[in-house]
Amino acid sequence: NAGVTQTPKFQVLKTGQSMTLQCAQDMNHNSMYWYRQDPGMGLRLIYYSASEGTTDKGEVPNGYNVSRLNKREFSLRLESAAPSQTSVYFCASSEWRHATLRSGNTIYFGEGSWLTVV
Amino acid sequence: KNQVEQSPQSLIILEGKNCTLQCNYTVSPFSNLRWYKQDTGRGPVSLTIMTFSENTKSNGRYTATLDADTKQSSLHITASQLSDSASYICVVSAFSDSNTGKLIFGQGTTLQVKP
Repeated sequence: NAGVTQTPKFQVLKTGQSMTLQCAQDMNHNSMYWYRQDPGMGLRLIYYSASEGTTDKGEVPNGYNVSRLNKREFSLRLESAAPSQTSVYFCASSEWRHATLRSGNTIYFGEGSWLTVV
Repeated sequence: KNQVEQSPQSLIILEGKNCTLQCNYTVSPFSNLRWYKQDTGRGPVSLTIMTFSENTKSNGRYTATLDADTKQSSLHITASQLSDSASYICVVSAFSDSNTGKLIFGQGTTLQVKP
């Protein structure tokens, strides 16, 4: 089972360049998320998509855009990369049902994308 | 402000020993609490999920406890193995955020198991 697959695994960008992180899940989940993880800090939500066709800002959305291409795919775009966006990015997904999530629905994470902006 | 604090920040134990990791939270109203294991260079993997009505849950050698009154949780690892070396992350969800899947992550405890 592939689960949540994200690409690329590693990327180095120059300040001002743009790039898109791709994410796909094969679990037929409705909800998908993008997080960033920085040293000494917990994971922080960048954007999420509660269901196909919808996207919403999370805790740290500035400098990012997202696209929920279809139910499987959720991409994260950096339009003009900045050194402050150097981080590890994680895509995640979960089955979206109100009652299920309240009762403790599992969220599955991808393997991470290491991004360095120089 | 909703916060999740974990202690200790890091821990070194010998293989075969037990250990307990702590998580204190100020999230309200509480919905559920999760423990994740994150191996170096990998994504977090779910260990346990506990709702308000649950005060203990086990997953193999991992046992999580929850005291909703004191807003504390612990993760106990029994008979540690080298493969337990990882970061352990406590994650709490509030009812108001559960509808949208937002979670509050702790900074994690880094566990190193030495032979």
